[in-house]
Amino acid sequence: ETGVTQSPTHLIKTRGQQVTLRCSSQSGHNTVSWYQQALGQGPQFIFQYYREEENGRGNFPPRFSGLQFPNYSSELNVNALELDDSALYLCASKLGTTNTGELFFGEGSRLTVL
Amino acid sequence: SQKIEQNSEALNIQEGKTATLTCNYTNYSPAYLQWYRQDPGRGPVFLLLIRENEKEKRKERLKVTFDTTLKQSLFHITASQPADSATYLCALMTTDSWGKLQFGAGTQVVVTP
Repeated sequence: ETGVTQSPTHLIKTRGQQVTLRCSSQSGHNTVSWYQQALGQGPQFIFQYYREEENGRGNFPPRFSGLQFPNYSSELNVNALELDDSALYLCASKLGTTNTGELFFGEGSRLTVL
Repeated sequence: SQKIEQNSEALNIQEGKTATLTCNYTNYSPAYLQWYRQDPGRGPVFLLLIRENEKEKRKERLKVTFDTTLKQSLFHITASQPADSATYLCALMTTDSWGKLQFGAGTQVVVTP
């Protein structure tokens, strides 16, 4: 148990739709990052939030957006879904002051786009 | 281009033997390297972290080495057990991208009794 919870665990959408995934980080962790993991691949960094501000972004288009709330929980929004967006979406939290710290991952949200 | 390479073939090993996994990287200057374990359908779980100025780290039956000249990390599981069966991911973080972990694709380990 990492203390990071994600919802929903599974969901199915169709192309063009929008999706919101949610993450509750471990208590005391003020940094949240999101990763996309396609089948058979390693996780790919989408973006990171620290104290409600985005402070790092990977090679993902603007239709991938996020939010972090004052309680450090977070959302990942994906607009105009494409088939290639089908993946496991992972949320990870850590203490923002520890750049070298381990990430605590949730169990992920499995998104299928038809 | 930047690459992190791990053996794509599954490593099949007998219980009690040592499993050795390789992580090679190119065009990175990592500040540190981490290893994670991932079970099917689950999120990765942190195992070990090693810094660029460290050669070796140990934790129970796990050992990691880091050779910045060879641009390689080795991950060892000694006295392997069937419960060690999982996919093992290496991840790098560089000083110009704090917070952004770059992951390899992982190597699956299968330990048979």
